[in-house]
Amino acid sequence: TQLLEQSPQFLSIQEGENLTVYCNSSSVFSSLQWYRQEPGEGPVLLVTVVTGGEVKKLKRLTFQFGDARKDSSLHITAAQPGDTGLYLCAGEEVSQGNLIFGKGTKLSVKP
Amino acid sequence: NAGVMQNPRHLVRRRGQEARLRCSPMKGHSHVYWYRQLPEEGLKFMVYLQKENIIDESGMPKERFSAEFPKEGPSILRIQQVVRGDSAAYFCASSLESGFATAYEQYFGPGTRLTVT
Repeated sequence: TQLLEQSPQFLSIQEGENLTVYCNSSSVFSSLQWYRQEPGEGPVLLVTVVTGGEVKKLKRLTFQFGDARKDSSLHITAAQPGDTGLYLCAGEEVSQGNLIFGKGTKLSVKP
Repeated sequence: NAGVMQNPRHLVRRRGQEARLRCSPMKGHSHVYWYRQLPEEGLKFMVYLQKENIIDESGMPKERFSAEFPKEGPSILRIQQVVRGDSAAYFCASSLESGFATAYEQYFGPGTRLTVT
C-alpha cells in the first residue's frame, strides 16, 4: 500500500508570513492533487499536477511536483487568515482509480 | 449548483441498524468513489464504481458494507448492522474519466456524518 507523508501536521503562523507544506512518498504517482478542507465540509480541489517537475501557481499558492513524481510541495506567500484550513495532498495510484491521501496539514493564520 | 450531492448530511443510527448513504455525482460524471474519514485520520478509499459496475472495492470491509451505482439514480453506500466503530464522515467523489494512466480530477461532496449510538 502506498503511503503519503505530509509535514508539518500543524502550522500556526502570523498573517503575512510564508510557509511550505510537504508531501512525500517512496512510490510514484500518476498525478497528485491538493485539496483544502474546512470543518464539516468536503475537500475542495485546489490543483492537479501531472508532470514531474511541474510548477503551478494559484494566486499566492505555488504547487510543485517532484521530478520523480514521488513528492510535492505547497508554498503560500504572505499568508492571510482566510488561508486557515486543512490542506490535503492526494496521489493517484498508477493504473488505479482511487486516491491515496496524506493525513493533512492543519494551518492556522492569525491576524 | 451542479456539484456532488450527498444526503443525508448527518445520520444517527443505533447499533444493529442499517445506514444508507446516498451520492449524486456531478452532472456528466459517471465515476464515483467513496472514502471514509475518521477523526484525526486521513481519508481512506473504500470503493470505486462506474454505472452498474464495481471497479475496485479493495478498501471496503468484506462484511456489512456494500455499494452500488445503478443505471438510474444515486450511488448508495449501505452499512448493515452498524457498530460504534462505523461512526465517521463518509465522502463521495466523482470524476469525468477514470484514473488509468490519465490525469483526472475528483470532486467531493459535503459528506455524511454517521454517528452510531
